[in-house]
Amino acid sequence: NAGVTQTPKFRILKIGQSMTLQCTQDMNHNYMYWYRQDPGMGLKLIYYSVGAGITDKGEVPNGYNVSRSTTEDFPLRLELAAPSQTSVYFCASSWGAGKGGELFFGEGSRLTVL
Amino acid sequence: QQQVKQSPQSLIVQKGGISIINCAYENTAFDYFPWYQQFPGKGPALLIAIRPDVSEKKEGRFTISFNKSAKQFSLHIMDSQPGDSATYFCAASIKGGSEKLVFGKGTKLTVNP
Repeated sequence: NAGVTQTPKFRILKIGQSMTLQCTQDMNHNYMYWYRQDPGMGLKLIYYSVGAGITDKGEVPNGYNVSRSTTEDFPLRLELAAPSQTSVYFCASSWGAGKGGELFFGEGSRLTVL
Repeated sequence: QQQVKQSPQSLIVQKGGISIINCAYENTAFDYFPWYQQFPGKGPALLIAIRPDVSEKKEGRFTISFNKSAKQFSLHIMDSQPGDSATYFCAASIKGGSEKLVFGKGTKLTVNP
């Protein structure tokens, strides 16, 4: 009964480094999402996917890339990390529109770029 | 038009009191309004949700009030408990689903014992 699992939980990057945040879900959800959360700013959608092989940009996609090769996995790639990408990142999944709107979130990945 | 404005940013309530968090929106195409609860170090979790065909929905001590004409909705927590201390996010979406949910900026609720 794992739900949505994110790794790593914490990471410190230097400016210009790259990394991948991993996300996997075991609920067979079609829809998956990446959000970032900054203090006092709520949750901003970075990218989302409605199924394997299909991804689309959210509100704040610049500096990030995603892929969706399987239903279970939705990794988020940060290229050339910048201090502005210091944030807490949440992966989420859902059945999608028309099947109830509940998002199931992971516990987050806290990223610091120095 | 895609914004959801949430207030207050923080709220302190005594145990047993009523906590009220308000949200307002502009886009009349929004038709699904959930509230998420987030404890420190955890991801948000769905608390309660409402669709615009009803004016109120109650689940235990939690009630959503919805005013379609004013484009406002609010969360009321009755008999607030210290365990309710968390950050609460309102959200809205179109077509009644989770795709492209727009979140408010959150309210940090502290319930003092």
